[in-house]
Order: sequence, then C-alpha cells, then structure tokens
Amino acid sequence: AQTVTQSQPEMSVQEAETVTLSCTYDTSESDYYLFWYKQPPSRQMILVIRQEAYKQQNATENRFSVNFQKAAKSFSLKISDSQLGDAAMYFCAYRSAFLNNNDMRFGAGTRLTVKP
Amino acid sequence: ETGVTQTPRHLVMGMTNKKSLKCEQHLGHNAMYWYKQSAKKPLELMFVYSLEERVENNSVPSRFSPECPNSSHLFLHLHTLQPEDSALYLCASSQVLGVGGYTFGSGTRLTVV
Repeated sequence: AQTVTQSQPEMSVQEAETVTLSCTYDTSESDYYLFWYKQPPSRQMILVIRQEAYKQQNATENRFSVNFQKAAKSFSLKISDSQLGDAAMYFCAYRSAFLNNNDMRFGAGTRLTVKP
Repeated sequence: ETGVTQTPRHLVMGMTNKKSLKCEQHLGHNAMYWYKQSAKKPLELMFVYSLEERVENNSVPSRFSPECPNSSHLFLHLHTLQPEDSALYLCASSQVLGVGGYTFGSGTRLTVV
C-alpha cells in the first residue's frame, strides 16, 4: 500500500522568507498524482499545487513550487515570499492514476507558522 | 452558494444519540467522499460515492452509515458512537471518480461524550 510521510510536524518561517516542506512517499506504481493541500484554521482543505508523475517539469503556482524527484520518491513544497496568510497545516497527498483508484493517501501534516 | 458545504459545523452527541452529518456540493461533481481526520493522524478515507452509488467502504464500523440520495448531497448517519469516534469529518467531491484533485468542505467537528 502507498504511504506518505511528512517528517516535519512543525515548521516556522519569517515573513517574506522562503520555506521548504518535505514529503516522501512509497509506491510501486509508475503513474500517479501528488498534491499539496493547505488547511487553515477555517478547516477547509485547499488545493495548493498538483503534480502528475509523468511530467518531468516541476509544477509552480505563483509563490508555490515543488521539487519532484521521482526516483527518490520525494515531493517537497517551496513557499517563497512567505505571507502571514500562509500559516496553516500543509498536507502532502498521493493518488494512483488508475481510474478506479479512489483512495487519496495523506501524510500526517506539517504545521507552518509565519512570524511577522 | 459554491463549493462544498458541510453542516453542522460542530456537533456534540452522547453515545446513545442518533445524528446525521450533511454535505452538499454545487459544483456538478459526480463523486463524493467522507474522510475522518483525527489529531496527529493522516486523513482516513471512509466512504466513496460515484453517481450516487457507493463504490468503497473502507472497513468502517456499522455505527457509521452513509447515504447519497443524489449527486449533490451526501449524508453520514451516526448512532451509538464511541468517544474515539470524536474527530473532524471532512466531505470532499471530485468531478469524476478517481480523477484530479478534490474539493473539500470545512468539516464537522464531532465530539462524542
């Protein structure tokens, strides 16, 4: 079974600085999707960024970018120019690309604090 | 209203009570999901519905009973719960089963006393 590991329970960053959140996963599949979700105090999980495993180019969304290392099964999230509104729990998630696979696997999360 | 809406936001219930959680989406999505989020644990998938048919039940105890009357609504009926069932219950939807990312609601914080 696929597992997702986030080894940093908590991280902090100074406002306007850059922070990287780590994620590793275990799978024997070759085609899959990886996601980073943000969960602020409002509790709603918000999709931050998504990566298809078949794409070699790292995904970027404004201040958010990933470093996808398929061979190492690593999928880290970089937040540039951190803002106070970035403070939240961040979850890394994996889902198989097989059409009938319904299970999105999540890591345990990393709590990010942004210091003014 | 857009997105995924869950009600109630908070729920406190006794172990002998019967209550229901409601999830509603107006995104035109065909698949809906129930997840359980416990403290310091990864999200756990509970149930999956596609076009109102249950396609997955992840070994969830029978004291949790899902219902999907149409593709926009999903319920989770609760009865004779245990204190360890206290958690945040999140509903999500996706356009098509097993494709793309999910859109989540804000969850129901359930406390069983």
